[in-house]
Amino acid sequence: GAVVSQHPSWVICKSGTSVKIECRSLDFQATTMFWYRQFPKQSLMLMATSNEGSKATYEQGVEKDKFLINHASLTLSTLTVTSAHPEDSSFYICSARLTSGETQYFGPGTRLLVL
Amino acid sequence: RKEVEQDPGPFNVPEGATVAFNCTYSNSASQSFFWYRQDCRKEPKLLMSVYSSGNEDGRFTAQLNRASQYISLLIRDSKLSDSATYLCVVATTDSWGKLQFGAGTQVVVTP
Repeated sequence: GAVVSQHPSWVICKSGTSVKIECRSLDFQATTMFWYRQFPKQSLMLMATSNEGSKATYEQGVEKDKFLINHASLTLSTLTVTSAHPEDSSFYICSARLTSGETQYFGPGTRLLVL
Repeated sequence: RKEVEQDPGPFNVPEGATVAFNCTYSNSASQSFFWYRQDCRKEPKLLMSVYSSGNEDGRFTAQLNRASQYISLLIRDSKLSDSATYLCVVATTDSWGKLQFGAGTQVVVTP
C-alpha cells in the first residue's frame, strides 16, 4: 500500500518552544492530508484538513494560530505546534488521501512530550 | 453524543475462539465505513472496508446495518497476533472524505 512518513517520530521539548512535524507521502501525490491528535485511550481526533496550495480547514476548538499547517506540495504537509505547553503532549498522526477515492494512509505518528 | 461509539473492552478471547463486537454511528448520512486496527503506540492501519452487503476477508467478517446504524466485526479462529485495538471509522459525506473515529475496542487474545 501507499507509504506515508512522519518526522520526527518523537520529540521532547521545553514549554514555550515550537515544534515542527513533517508528513510526507512517499509514493503518491496527496491532494489532501489530514492531521489528527490522539490522547491516551481516546480516539483519534481530527485537527485539520490540509489541501495542497490552500489554507487548512480547522476543526472546531482547534486554534489555527497555535497549530500552523502548511501544505506546500502534493507530497509534504507540516504541522507546527507553536509555543507548546504540557497539555499539547500527545500523539500526532497525519494521513494522506489519494487524489481519487477515500482511502487514507496514515503516517507512523509523532509523539510529542512538552516538559 | 459521540458520532462513533464503541465498547472499549477489553475482550479477552482464547486463542482459536471467535469474537465479535459492534460500533454505532449517529450520522445517518454516513456513506463509508471501515475497520482499522491500531497496535499499542502505533498508527492505525486499514483492516477492511465495510460494504452494505457485508464482506469477508479471511478470518474477518464485517457487516453493516444501516437501519440500526451499526457495523460489526467478527474475528474467527483468533490468533495471538490479533491482539490490538480495533477502530470503527465512518466517513462523512464531506467531499474531503473526513473520517470519524471511534475510541476503539481492545481485543486481547490469550494462549
